[in-house]
Amino acid sequence: AQSVTQLGSHVSVSEGALVLLRCNYSSSVPPYLFWYVQYPNQGLQLLLKYTTGATLVKGINGFEAEFKKSETSFHLTKPSAHMSDAAEYFCAVSGFQGAQKLVFGQGTRLTINP
Amino acid sequence: KAGVTQTPRYLIKTRGQQVTLSCSPISGHRSVSWYQQTPGQGLQFLFEYFSETQRNKGNFPGRFSGRQFSNSRSEMNVSTLELGDSALYLCASRTGDQETQYFGPGTRLLVL
Repeated sequence: AQSVTQLGSHVSVSEGALVLLRCNYSSSVPPYLFWYVQYPNQGLQLLLKYTTGATLVKGINGFEAEFKKSETSFHLTKPSAHMSDAAEYFCAVSGFQGAQKLVFGQGTRLTINP
Repeated sequence: KAGVTQTPRYLIKTRGQQVTLSCSPISGHRSVSWYQQTPGQGLQFLFEYFSETQRNKGNFPGRFSGRQFSNSRSEMNVSTLELGDSALYLCASRTGDQETQYFGPGTRLLVL
């Protein structure tokens, strides 16, 4: 069984500040991990994913995440927030074999203050 | 390539009715998955189809069903609608296992 916990349903940062969105997962098998972003009235857009190999993953729009197996974490960061980053962010986990569904966290709404 | 398309984008139904939602995957993608998104339950997996066969199913009642056609297009049907079925229904497609799922814009269903 797999599950995802996103710490903080709402995060607010100032424009230009560091963005840190927290994600912890539970998985009985080696996980594939994802971050998706959802803008109002839109579907989900993939920011980045970890499958195997390098644990620091770089994604689109300046975001990156680090897979830490010992901490079962996959936190999302961006050095400098931009107004356009305001959206809802979802962390998701899936298994690595066969037809695996995505299991999502509850989401974190990111607000950027000018 | 065109992205995943879903029709209709918005839908209003009344309790007891049934509804059919459509999803056209990205060209070449043979797998289509459906997810329900609600404020209370978040994003939940409904089912996945691959080459016209359902091969994974979430924990939803039998009122929720789906199918996939030979051109990989998929439909999802909900019968005997309940107020709690009001949600954003998202479709995602991918080429195969372990590949990234790409999401459509969703169909927002309101049940009155």
